[in-house]
Amino acid sequence: DAGVTQSPTHLIKTRGQQVTLRCSPKSGHDTVSWYQQALGQGPQFIFQYYEEEERQRGNFPDRFSGHQFPNYSSELNVNALLLGDSALYLCASSLVGLADSRRAFFGQGTRLTVV
Amino acid sequence: ELKVEQNPLFLSMQEGKNYTIYCNYSTTSDRLYWYRQDPGKSLESLFVLLSNGAVKQEGRLMASLDTKARLSTLHITAAVHDLSATYFCAVAEETSGSRLTFGEGTQLTVNP
Repeated sequence: DAGVTQSPTHLIKTRGQQVTLRCSPKSGHDTVSWYQQALGQGPQFIFQYYEEEERQRGNFPDRFSGHQFPNYSSELNVNALLLGDSALYLCASSLVGLADSRRAFFGQGTRLTVV
Repeated sequence: ELKVEQNPLFLSMQEGKNYTIYCNYSTTSDRLYWYRQDPGKSLESLFVLLSNGAVKQEGRLMASLDTKARLSTLHITAAVHDLSATYFCAVAEETSGSRLTFGEGTQLTVNP
């Protein structure tokens, strides 16, 4: 059973550019959440997708946008990159349902460096 | 706004010793999670705690939850070097679905 997979694993971009990160959820999961983890900090919630719609959003600017496809995979897009966007971006998949089934499983992350 | 605080943030301990990491949170929750993260790696799920008084154990790690005190603990028994990592607690608010709010993490170093 494949877990959560993310691509690419590493990425270097220049300030002002745009980037797209991709995530395939764990088999059987229908919800994808994205988190940003700056160095030395805990992950911060960006947004969550369920049934191809953004259901919840954290305190991130509109430069951060996303999409969920019918097969539950998801993309995170960041426009007009800033140096401060450099971080590990984590995708988590989960399943809407009983509390104990809502455990989030994380992908290996995409390390984004903005120069 | 939900706040999650862990302490200590840094913990250096000797092999064979016991210690406890604390996680306090500021609002009601129906789920609390513990994750482990190795340097440069993703988050590995350790425990899910769903109810007051819940206790889970895996090897040298034991997690507990007191929802009235809004406190969870991660107890390490007879630490070994392989436990060196950063440990995060994460809380899901009752109305938040699977959205998680993480603590700052506890960086654990176990010395021989």
